[in-house]
Amino acid sequence: GNSVTQMEGPVTLSEEAFLTINCTYTATGYPSLFWYVQYPGEGLQLLLKATKADDKGSNKGFEATYRKETTSFHLEKGSVQVSDSAVYFCAPSGRDSGAGSYQLTFGKGTKLSVIP
Amino acid sequence: EAQVTQNPRYLITVTGKKLTVTCSQNMNHEYMSWYRQDPGLGLRQIYYSMNVEVTDKGDVPEGYKVSRKEKRNFPLILESPSPNQTSLYFCASSLRRGQGSYEQYFGPGTRLTVT
Repeated sequence: GNSVTQMEGPVTLSEEAFLTINCTYTATGYPSLFWYVQYPGEGLQLLLKATKADDKGSNKGFEATYRKETTSFHLEKGSVQVSDSAVYFCAPSGRDSGAGSYQLTFGKGTKLSVIP
Repeated sequence: EAQVTQNPRYLITVTGKKLTVTCSQNMNHEYMSWYRQDPGLGLRQIYYSMNVEVTDKGDVPEGYKVSRKEKRNFPLILESPSPNQTSLYFCASSLRRGQGSYEQYFGPGTRLTVT
């Protein structure tokens, strides 16, 4: 089956610091890759995605590049803000070999706290 | 407004008392899914549905039931809840796309406590 290894948290950064959250995956076939974000007290929402090798997804200053050769999709932001404090989930979408359908597999999440 | 709604948002119940958590989406999505979120375990899929009357087990289906009689609704049923089902539950929906690049839209969550 599919699996995700995501950087353990929690991560605490000062405002304007550089952020990297590592994510590597295993998946059947050629997955699409997603980062979801969960703000306190809310459900998950899509942050960015990439659907093929070397694609770069970007949104709200966050970026992640689909690296097929290293099966990685690391999340980066050059200058974090207090409002970025949230839990971030890496999620490949790959074909489930058993069911034959595409399924999202979520990492365990990385909690980011940004302090002023 | 496009959204996924869940009810109730919070529920405290006792062991063995049947309950249903409702989920509804207004985006005409084919695919719907239930997850539970627990500290240190991330999100784990309970059940999913590819379309009306088509449901299948996810990673942790034991103790849960679902039904998909209408496209917009996907209720989660706990016939006999136990304390280990205390968790935060999310419903999600998406369009189904052939290459699997669909985005899932999540509800706000239901926090369930079973005593």
